[in-house]
Amino acid sequence: EVQLVESGGGLVQPGGSLRLSCAASGFTFSSYWMHWVRQAPGKGLVWVSRINSDGSSTSYADSVKGRFTISRDNAKNTLYLQMNSLRAEDTAVYYCARDPGYCTNGVCRYYYYYYYMDVWGKGTTVTVSS
Amino acid sequence: QSVLTQPPSVSGAPGQRVTISCTGSSSNIGAGYDVHWYQQLPGTAPKLLIYGNSNRPSGVPDRFSGSKSGTSASLAITGLQAEDEADYYCQSYDSSLRGGGVVFGGGTKLTVL
Repeated sequence: EVQLVESGGGLVQPGGSLRLSCAASGFTFSSYWMHWVRQAPGKGLVWVSRINSDGSSTSYADSVKGRFTISRDNAKNTLYLQMNSLRAEDTAVYYCARDPGYCTNGVCRYYYYYYYMDVWGKGTTVTVSS
Repeated sequence: QSVLTQPPSVSGAPGQRVTISCTGSSSNIGAGYDVHWYQQLPGTAPKLLIYGNSNRPSGVPDRFSGSKSGTSASLAITGLQAEDEADYYCQSYDSSLRGGGVVFGGGTKLTVL
């Protein structure tokens, strides 16, 4: 079964740090680009970050650039999100999600303008408060 | 304020047809970038509903369909059922944004009367 399981959330003070993990199983993790998406309480989905399959390329939303770092360990089938200088507005449920790319005739490629998420984890909650 | 605009809420009776709009601009949907749709049932993670404007992943009922025209996209749900009550989000790419360019709509809450 294809599965993503996030962990590492919790309560942290403003200015603090936290590292989220996302354990992948049931598919060849090293072949897929991955995303982090967050959802503040009662609010909508907001894209946070993306990483390519070998970890050599990353991108971030402006709101987290310079504070968050996405990374992956393909040997451990795990995606990470290192979050530093946390603010109250970072309080949210954080989801990791798989990006299947653009697939035709069984061949999948990635394009900078064609991102979507076909598998999502259940999320981990981050609360930033004093 | 989301780059992609969705109505905050829509409603319909069981068996009816409802549509949810997703309005963008010339830097996202209007530029030809594809639109994807997600369903989020209460208290759960989002689930992919439509990708590439109108494609359904396996397991998604054909009661759900997507379309795109100009600077807008739409999600249609026919034969409305009680279990369709959820939040729905559109997602696309915006070339005017710095960073990754991935954008979501603000979400639409569907109420089945």
